[in-house]
Amino acid sequence: QLQLQESGPGLVKPSETLSLTCIVSGGSISRSGYYWGWIRQPPGEGLDWIGSMYSGGNTYYNPSLKSRVTISLDTSNNQFSMRLTSVTAADTAVYYCTSQVATVDRFDYWGQGTPVTVSS
Amino acid sequence: QSALTQPASVSGSPGQSITISCTGTSSDVGGYDFVSWYQHHPGKVPKLMMFEVTKRPSGVSNRFSGSKSGNTASLTISGLQAEDEAHYYCCSFAGSGTWVVFGGGTKLTVL
Repeated sequence: QLQLQESGPGLVKPSETLSLTCIVSGGSISRSGYYWGWIRQPPGEGLDWIGSMYSGGNTYYNPSLKSRVTISLDTSNNQFSMRLTSVTAADTAVYYCTSQVATVDRFDYWGQGTPVTVSS
Repeated sequence: QSALTQPASVSGSPGQSITISCTGTSSDVGGYDFVSWYQHHPGKVPKLMMFEVTKRPSGVSNRFSGSKSGNTASLTISGLQAEDEAHYYCCSFAGSGTWVVFGGGTKLTVL
């Protein structure tokens, strides 16, 4: 059973870069057929897919965030990360790391979520 | 504005059945059989309830069922229980350019 746990700063200043890491236990992030990614939920709003990275290396990003986001895998530490540049108040949200298993719509595993506030 | 349209709220009494719709376009819901549904209780982690339109993950009650007709997918919950009260989100593959889109969410109230 996979377990995911996010880590990162709870507060980021406007225009700075948000960096989050997801530590994976219970299985290797190198396993075939898995996607590793991020979803966020702004206060009072719905779920917003940020992006996903296949274990083989391909990345897929929300077109609205593509110019600002990068997802990468760290196989040596069995974790993956997200960087979101030039943040604004609109990026304030709970950020979840996720794993999609086998099919793109199947977000099977979720981290507990980490709240991030963008404020000076 | 979310790419997929869901009703803001639905309600039902215990024991009844309800259906939550999720309307997209031929570029997402209508074009692929990759539609999933998530149950989200406040303060908890979203839980996968259905994937590939009609498939239930292990451990999800068979009171939950999924279907699709044209550009609209639906989640039906039969035999409503108090514990079903939550927000429900649909999700669809949207092709190689957009990839994944979510609906705006539906708040289910069990009366």
